[in-house]
Amino acid sequence: QVQLVESGGGLVQPGRSLRLSCAASGFTFSSHAIHWVRQAPGKGLEWVAVISYDGSDKYYADSVKGRFTISRDNSKNTLYLRMNSLRVEDTAVYYCARDWNYNGLDYWGQGTLVTVSS
Amino acid sequence: DIQMTQSPSSLSASVGDRVTITCRASQSISSYLNWYQQKPGKAPKLLIYGALSLQSGVPSRFSGSGSGTDFTLTISSLQPEDFATYYCQQSYSTLRTFGQGTKLEIK
Repeated sequence: QVQLVESGGGLVQPGRSLRLSCAASGFTFSSHAIHWVRQAPGKGLEWVAVISYDGSDKYYADSVKGRFTISRDNSKNTLYLRMNSLRVEDTAVYYCARDWNYNGLDYWGQGTLVTVSS
Repeated sequence: DIQMTQSPSSLSASVGDRVTITCRASQSISSYLNWYQQKPGKAPKLLIYGALSLQSGVPSRFSGSGSGTDFTLTISSLQPEDFATYYCQQSYSTLRTFGQGTKLEIK
């Protein structure tokens, strides 16, 4: 069965960096674009970034552009999100989700919590 | 970026009621509109894709309609497990923006 498992979240001070991982299994990882979506406590869903199936194309929300970098290692079936210059407002649960072409995000991980606080 | 606006932001209803949630895009997105259900502490779940296609396993009381800029999600007869937050999302643009969500509560 399709599984996406995020890891790497935790408490970090403003201005510091963190790298999230998303381990995929149960499908051909290298055939799908993958997204990061976040949700601040008590708030709605915010799309963060997407990477194409082969890693050649990457797109970001304006709120993270220039600070976050999405990447993938298809040999390890793993997606990453490098987050630099973290801000308090980046505090959220971060989900990875599989892209189903133009049909939405059909599988999601359980999420990993990132807390940015001094 | 394409902005997605949902209404209402919250809704109180009773078991058995028919409810409708609307979603408006800031520009035409054809039929590239998806709906998700999220329950507290859980990841979102894809309900409807392509504006009107039901994801596998989703009960038939859920339906979607619309095209262009205006879309609706309808639940024909609310069940206790349907009380949750619902989000629309466009997949017309690579930057896959979400609506702000509609919280469906028990009256």
